[in-house]
Amino acid sequence: AQTVTQSQPEMSVQEAETVTLSCTYDTSESNYYLFWYKQPPSRQMILVIRQEAYKQQNATENRFSVNFQKAAKSFSLKISDSQLGDTAMYFCAFMKGIGGSQGNLIFGKGTKLSVKP
Amino acid sequence: GAGVSQSPSNKVTEKGKDVELRCDPISGHTALYWYRQSLGQGLEFLIYFQGNSAPDKSGLPSDRFSAERTGGSVSTLTIQRTQQEDSAVYLCASSPQPRGALNEKLFFGSGTQLSVL
Repeated sequence: AQTVTQSQPEMSVQEAETVTLSCTYDTSESNYYLFWYKQPPSRQMILVIRQEAYKQQNATENRFSVNFQKAAKSFSLKISDSQLGDTAMYFCAFMKGIGGSQGNLIFGKGTKLSVKP
Repeated sequence: GAGVSQSPSNKVTEKGKDVELRCDPISGHTALYWYRQSLGQGLEFLIYFQGNSAPDKSGLPSDRFSAERTGGSVSTLTIQRTQQEDSAVYLCASSPQPRGALNEKLFFGSGTQLSVL
């Protein structure tokens, strides 16, 4: 069975600074995908970034980037130039590559990020 | 509307009562998912619809939980004889792609916060 662990229940960062959220996972699958989702107070889950395990290059999306360490089973999210609108819960999630679906992700328990002015 | 709509936004009920939660997906989206998010947890998959049929109900926690979808559009999640442990946010998501498609993208609603007293 796959597990996803987020060891930081809460974090805070000053506006314009950089913050890194940690995520580790455990799996015996060789083909899989990893995701970071954002859940603001509106409760809508929003996909932030996606990483295919077979790709060595770390995914980036504007101010968001990941540090994917496959051997260590680590998948951290870096947010650069933090903005007040980044305040949200952030969830790390795992999906099997074969037979998997974003509709059946395995989620961590989340990290509550507060961006302070 | 342009997005996934869920109603009610908040629901308070007494233990033992039945509740119905509604999800209006984005028009034309064939795939629909229900999730439960307990306090401090990530999303827990409940059920997946493709059109009006539910090929995967494996996440429904007990026979008190049921869901239907009519006209390939609106879906209703029903919880009978509610218990306090049913208190959670219930999220719905829809997708124009079938589950597991390579280009799969989910669009989430804002959920229903259910409180069972």
